Order: sequence, then structure tokens, then C-alpha cells
Amino acid sequence: GQQLNQSPQSMFIQEGEDVSMNCTSSSIFNTWLWYKQDPGEGPVLLIALYKAGELTSNGRLTAQFGITRKDSFLNISASIPSDVGIYFCAGRETSGSRLTFGEGTQLTVNP
Amino acid sequence: DAGVIQSPRHEVTEMGQEVTLRCKPISGHDYLFWYRQTMMRGLELLIYFNNNVPIDDSGMPEDRFSAKMPNASFSTLKIQPSEPRDSAVYFCASSQGVDNEQFFGPGTRLTVL
Repeated sequence: GQQLNQSPQSMFIQEGEDVSMNCTSSSIFNTWLWYKQDPGEGPVLLIALYKAGELTSNGRLTAQFGITRKDSFLNISASIPSDVGIYFCAGRETSGSRLTFGEGTQLTVNP
Repeated sequence: DAGVIQSPRHEVTEMGQEVTLRCKPISGHDYLFWYRQTMMRGLELLIYFNNNVPIDDSGMPEDRFSAKMPNASFSTLKIQPSEPRDSAVYFCASSQGVDNEQFFGPGTRLTVL
């Protein structure tokens, strides 16, 4: 099935550093979502974006819905060890359509 | 609420055997989704239900896969016969409304030998 292009695939950073990851699509989306998956668990929603240009924060996390509606990014500031996990973007083209997921970004934070 | 409940958490079976995965959605949620996650293909939607009725099963890989939702609190995903390439983590998710947040279960890790 269709997949979003998510980058980077993996990141190794030191505790306290900021992190940025992004997703691009060939399709226009009306919804962008960012999920985090911990080992042995299902994805958990972090941030939802519904309007082009929208910038939303959730604690140390900030995500933006790109103006072109074909991209989104997620920033994590001042990373901590519990930020370790796989981060997925997901997009929806129209109301009621299925979610398309990115390939994921594996984040490792060294204490 | 206990969240989405899936069972079993792990399943190891031999090729050719029938496998049944189970899901209990969050009470009050009217949408239920089955996903499969593999390294090669990532997270893929297999099928979803609205009020127990299958709406979109275009992601079901082939006839060996079937899903049912006999009531609002229970769904099954069955693979018969299973093959090694079916090895993956299978997630169930539920939501209130098709565009609202999907809550994922912990997944079933299936290994077909």
C-alpha cells in the first residue's frame, strides 16, 4: 500500500539534545498525526493536526502541518531517555479515508 | 477503561494451522480497525468495521484472511491456513467516529514456522 516518506529512519542522540523528524507525501492530506510506539506496545497518539500551517505543541513536542499539505514535521526539545521509541507520522487524505503510516523513525537517547 | 484488549499477546504456530486473533475494543467506540505491522511493509490497515459491519476490507491480503465482528465488544481475525509470511505483529484499534483518535491495543506477535 501507499506509504509516506519519513526521515530519518533512525537517530542516535545525547540526552538534552533537540530532535527533528519529518514526513512527506505525494498526496494532499487533510489530517496529519504523529504517534509513538514503545517496545511491545501499540502506537499512541502524540499530536493531531487538521489545518495547513497549524503548529501544535504537547509538552516538549511540537508538530506542524505543512503549508502545501504534503508534509509535516515533529520536533522534540531537550530529549530525555524515556523519549526512546519509534515515532510514526500518519496522514489522511479526506474525511473517512484510511490512515497511511510512515515507515517510522527509531529514536535512541543516550544518557 | 482498560483500553483495547487483544489476545493472545504471542502466538507461535506451524504452517498450515488455523490462527485466530481476538480483540475487545473500548466500550462505546463504534469503529474497529485491524492492522498488520512488519519490517518490510510497516503498518498496514487490513480491514475496519463500523457498528460491527465491515466497511473496507481492501487491505486483507488474500482469502486466507477473514475478520468478523459478531457484536460491539468483540472481533476476530482468522488466518487459515497460516503461512510463514504471515508472521507479523497484528494490532487492533478502536475509535469513536472514523476520523477521531484511534486507540491501539498492545498487539499480537504471530510467528508461523
